[in-house]
Amino acid sequence: EVQLVESGGGLVQPGGSLRLSCAASGFTFSSYWMSWVRQAPGKGLEWVANIEQDGSEKYYVDSVKGRFTISRDNAKNSLYLQMNSLRAEDTAVYYCARVHSSSWYVGYWGQGTLVTVSS
Amino acid sequence: QSALTQPPSASGSPGQSVTISCTGTSSDVGGYNYVSWYQQHPGKAPKLMIYEVTKRPSGVPDRFSGSKSGNTASLTVSGLQAEDEADYYCSSYAGSNRSVVFGGGTKLTVL
Repeated sequence: EVQLVESGGGLVQPGGSLRLSCAASGFTFSSYWMSWVRQAPGKGLEWVANIEQDGSEKYYVDSVKGRFTISRDNAKNSLYLQMNSLRAEDTAVYYCARVHSSSWYVGYWGQGTLVTVSS
Repeated sequence: QSALTQPPSASGSPGQSVTISCTGTSSDVGGYNYVSWYQQHPGKAPKLMIYEVTKRPSGVPDRFSGSKSGNTASLTVSGLQAEDEADYYCSSYAGSNRSVVFGGGTKLTVL
């Protein structure tokens, strides 16, 4: 059974940093592109970042470029999102997502972890 | 990286059909057959309902169907059931920088 379990969310002050983790199991992690997708309270879904299977290609939505870094450790079956210079508008539930890069859909989602940026 | 356009709400009575539209541009919806649809119940993670415009993952009822014409994709739910009440999001590959764009979401109410 495919499982994606996020952790690392919490309350952080504006300008602060946070690192999210996603533990993957039930599939060959190193064979898939992975993504982070976020959802602000009461709002829609927003793709945040993608990373290729070996970590060599990474892509970001414009609003987080230069502040967020996506990475992975295939030996640990784990995906990460380092978030720096956090802003109030980054407040959201962050979902770890397994991507089918043949046609760019999310086949599996984690349960999400809430990040709140507030003073 | 502009969001796709969906109506904020849609509704229908049990047994009826409802169609939700998703409008993009030639750079996303119109340019690729990579449109997907997700269902999200309150407090839950999204669930894949349709991928590659028309395909249904195993386990998704055939009451759910997808289509596309030009820059607009559509999700049709036939034979509405109470459990279909949820938020629905469309998504499309947008090409540049391996980006993916989502619609703003449509709240489906079963009357």
